Amino acid sequence: QTVVTQEPSFSVSPGGTVTLTCGLSSGSVSTNYYPSWYQQTPGQAPRTLIYSTNTRSSGVPDRFSGSILGNKAALTITGAQADDESDYYCLLYMGSGIVLFGGGTKVTVL
Amino acid sequence: QVTMKESGPALVKPTQTLTLTCTFSGFSLSTSAMRVSWIRQPPGKALEWLARIDWDDDKFYSTSLKTRLTISKDTSKNQVVLTMTNMDPVDTATYYCARMIATSYFDYWGQGTLVTVSS
Repeated sequence: QTVVTQEPSFSVSPGGTVTLTCGLSSGSVSTNYYPSWYQQTPGQAPRTLIYSTNTRSSGVPDRFSGSILGNKAALTITGAQADDESDYYCLLYMGSGIVLFGGGTKVTVL
Repeated sequence: QVTMKESGPALVKPTQTLTLTCTFSGFSLSTSAMRVSWIRQPPGKALEWLARIDWDDDKFYSTSLKTRLTISKDTSKNQVVLTMTNMDPVDTATYYCARMIATSYFDYWGQGTLVTVSS
């Protein structure tokens, strides 16, 4: 059973930069997995940030960017702000209509 | 604009069947490339994709849950229905529906509905 891996938590200073990654328990993530990223604050529905590796969803600030770094998908927050403190989930397309979420990364801004 | 809203029982008993309805507006599920998925999130845990139905009635299910899930649509009512059989306390979660216009990501989400499984 393939597992999508993410760091459990990250801390970043206000104004700082943090890069979250999204990998596979077996194999490498490429653009063929069409990685997407979602932000979720407590009690709220997820919000779509990035899709197809690096395309920002409408209204998403350009401090959020997506890429492939090595064998993983990555979400970089540049110039972190207090309201970026959230859980972040990646999603990978596994083929045959199946998508898988990662376990999520809790980002703290302090 | 696109809106999506989940509805269903807040409480179900173990072994019962759960039926959830996603009612949406701002698009039609008879339009090519439109898709709706169900996702759930147990309290304090990660998101989990459950099922998807497409404009052409293609259906896809989570490998681990496919024996318990059925997804269907009523295009005239702009609704998608998910049934999950043999509910267990571990199925306690907030259930979301979300639109997909590609096979790989969600662009609009409902607010979610919390379902508790308890006797």
